[in-house]
This record gives sequence, structure tokens and C-alpha cells, in this order.
Amino acid sequence: KQEVTQIPAALSVPEGENLVLNCSFTDSAIYNLQWFRQDPGKGLTSLLLIQSSQREQTSGRLNASLDKSSGRSTLYIAASQPGDSATYLCAVRFMIKAAGNKLTFGGGTRVLVKP
Amino acid sequence: NAGVTQTPKFRVLKTGQSMTLLCAQDMNHEYMYWYRQDPGMGLRLIHYSVGEGTTAKGEVPDGYNVSRLKKQNFLLGLESAAPSQTSVYFCASSYPLLPGQGAVSGNTIYFGEGSWLTVV
Repeated sequence: KQEVTQIPAALSVPEGENLVLNCSFTDSAIYNLQWFRQDPGKGLTSLLLIQSSQREQTSGRLNASLDKSSGRSTLYIAASQPGDSATYLCAVRFMIKAAGNKLTFGGGTRVLVKP
Repeated sequence: NAGVTQTPKFRVLKTGQSMTLLCAQDMNHEYMYWYRQDPGMGLRLIHYSVGEGTTAKGEVPDGYNVSRLKKQNFLLGLESAAPSQTSVYFCASSYPLLPGQGAVSGNTIYFGEGSWLTVV
């Protein structure tokens, strides 16, 4: 069964420290992997999409890496700010036949950046 | 440029009542999905559709029905609401992916803003 896991479930860091968020998945046959941000009571904001052929993707202070062989992705947020406090979700589109290319989500990591 | 639109955004139901959530997308996407999100958890797939007139079950389909009569709309129905269906519901849509399309741009999945449903 294709599964996505995010550990830890919650993380607290002081402002300015770099954030490292982990995502692991059980099958290396994927189309892509996507990181989302979710603020309390809000919808999903797509942060980065990494194609299966890519090793990393960058946007501003955000950098996401992908290692398909080990089933891991890491989201790095440099020089964290209180505004980075949110829940971060990792989602994978596995290559499952007849599954509608659905996204499988991890449980999320809730991040608190303390001023 | 509406993208994916869900209605209603908020609803309170009594146990046993029925209701329908509407999802509309204006991007001509073939695939549409309904997910639910419970506190402290990621999203779980309820049902999905790979084209007009088709539907399929996801991970947690019990207690829900869906219909895709028009390509741009995907309806999620609760026939007899239960407190366990209190959740946030997200609709999404995308183009289909085929093997070898891992590097094709624009193959992301687009989400609506969510519908908050409380069953009392």
C-alpha cells in the first residue's frame, strides 16, 4: 500500500533558525511530490512541486529535495520567521494504475516559529 | 480566473439530514476529487472521477455518494449525515498523468478553499 509519513507531527523553533521538514513515502514509482502550507482554518497553498525526474526545487527561502530511491523528501525553510508558523503537508502522486492520479497525503507537520 | 470553487463554505447539519456539496472547475480538467480532512490529519480521498459520467471510490467512501454529470462539476452527497462526518471537505481537479509525464509542466493538482461541515 502506498503511504506517506511526516515526522515529527509538530515542531517548534526560535525565529531565525532553519526549518527542516521530513516526508517519507513507501513506493519510488511516483509522478511527482508536492509540498503544501495550511494556515489554521484555511485551505491549502501549494509551495513547491517536484517532478519525479528532479532532485530539488527552490522558491525564495524554500528548498525541497527528492530522493526517490530512498523514498524521502525534505523541505528546508531558511531563516524562519513567525509568519512561517503553519502546518506543512507533503503529498505524493504515485503511479498507480486506474487510481485517477490521486494525491496521497502525509499527516502534516505543525510548525511554530517563536519570536 | 476562478479555478476550483466549492459551495457552500460552511454548513451545520442535524444528524440524519441530507446535503450536497458542489465543486465546480473552469480549467477543463478531466480528473476531479473529493477529500476530507480531520483535525491533526492529512487529507483522505473520499471519491474521485476520471471523466464525465465516471466515479470511483477512494479510501473513505462510506456514507457518501458522488456524481459527475457534467465535466466541470463534481457533487458530493451525504444522504444521512452522521457526527463522524463533521470535517473539512476539499475538492480538487487536475489533468490526467501518463507514465513518462513526470517532467511535464502544468500537471499539478488544484484545490478549492474547503467546505466546513458540522453535524450535530
